[in-house]
Amino acid sequence: EPEVTQTPSHQVTQMGQEVILRCVPISNHLYFYWYRQILGQKVEFLVSFYNNEISEKSEIFDDQFSVERPDGSNFTLKIRSTKLEDSAMYFCASSERGSSNQPQHFGDGTRLSIL
Amino acid sequence: SQKIEQNSEALNIQEGKTATLTCNYTNYSPAYLQWYRQDPGRGPVFLLLIRENEKEKRKERLKVTFDTTLKQSLFHITASQPADSATYLCALEASGTYKYIFGTGTRLKVLA
Repeated sequence: EPEVTQTPSHQVTQMGQEVILRCVPISNHLYFYWYRQILGQKVEFLVSFYNNEISEKSEIFDDQFSVERPDGSNFTLKIRSTKLEDSAMYFCASSERGSSNQPQHFGDGTRLSIL
Repeated sequence: SQKIEQNSEALNIQEGKTATLTCNYTNYSPAYLQWYRQDPGRGPVFLLLIRENEKEKRKERLKVTFDTTLKQSLFHITASQPADSATYLCALEASGTYKYIFGTGTRLKVLA
């Protein structure tokens, strides 16, 4: 069964550094998402992306964050200047269409640790 | 304010019993509600979704109900097994957006 893949599985970065998290969504999916989950807390929506544009973003997704689909397969999340509170699991997800009747398929995440 | 709430306390049940998990929401009017399973260190895995005009949906040992008057969904696992131990999340789309909101999840432990 096709799956969403994320790399790296664990990223350790100094505070203030830029980090790029990578995702390969399922190939025929058109909608892409990033979520984060701070340890022990709930899954929080960051951003949705369709047709090379952001469809929706949350209050968490401030100017330090950006997303890009640099080619036909990758979907990236960049954090420009990381803070300690950015430490979390970051999940990428994709769905065939954007309707709420579509299941989202998640990757297994990147654990981001900011020192 | 808009909220999705699940019982944050862990639920322990004996193998073979039915587990019932609750998801309550306020100030949303979702057309669909989704349920996911999350194992430690893994991403959520989609299980079932139910539409607002469906009272009940089943898949194998799983059953979901949706009461838009009570603003509540119940998730049942019948004949539970230790392998069903995980955290179960409900999720909905904030109306008219592509923004998905997850509940805090309920950790289920099925005891052998």
